[in-house]
Amino acid sequence: GAGVSQSPRYKVAKRGQDVALRCDPISGHVSLFWYQQALGQGPEFLTYFQNEAQLDKSGLPSDRFFAERPEGSVSTLKIQRTQQEDSAVYLCASSLAQGTGDYGYTFGSGTRLTVV
Amino acid sequence: EDKVVQSPLSLVVHEGDTVTLNCSYEVTNFRSLLWYKQEKKAPTFLFMLTSSGIEKKSGRLSSILDKKELFSILNITATQTGDSAVYLCAVDTYSGNTPLVFGKGTRLSVIA
Repeated sequence: GAGVSQSPRYKVAKRGQDVALRCDPISGHVSLFWYQQALGQGPEFLTYFQNEAQLDKSGLPSDRFFAERPEGSVSTLKIQRTQQEDSAVYLCASSLAQGTGDYGYTFGSGTRLTVV
Repeated sequence: EDKVVQSPLSLVVHEGDTVTLNCSYEVTNFRSLLWYKQEKKAPTFLFMLTSSGIEKKSGRLSSILDKKELFSILNITATQTGDSAVYLCAVDTYSGNTPLVFGKGTRLSVIA
């Protein structure tokens, strides 16, 4: 596609519910990143894929968070037993190169998750 | 731990004013510094800076990097209401596959 596509745009979950957030990166982009952005904060790194390999998951805040990219394109971020502190915008970004490349990442519009 | 600090955190100016946004950083193995504009949700790329003292310019926006003093500034001249956004600074490093480290951003509001 022309850009990074994320779905859903908005998600309201009851505390304890599991959610799955989808990211469809730009076709051919090798690197895919997930970031969490709380209100009034900058994006915080969650995890990074190079093709299908998850090379860094050091930013995942707990074992309730899980991400996969099984065929090296679409990625899913899953949050189990959601808590109120999980409420944030979840941004996905992709890059043609390994890492940042010459023009930084291309970001999707994000999924705003609200846990009630 | 890599750190990026932006100031001010928020700023309100009138149309036509010139603003300067600041970004300082402490990282190991610095590679580049990037500026993004975030209006709704998706940050959009503005500049990537790798060398000290070389100004990058795009219309009314310009940016420069000082690798000795570890900071960058983003200037916006003749501000317009459409410049209202959060401006994010991020740093990339040579440390393996580490991701961009972002500052908290500066929220700029331009009022008519």
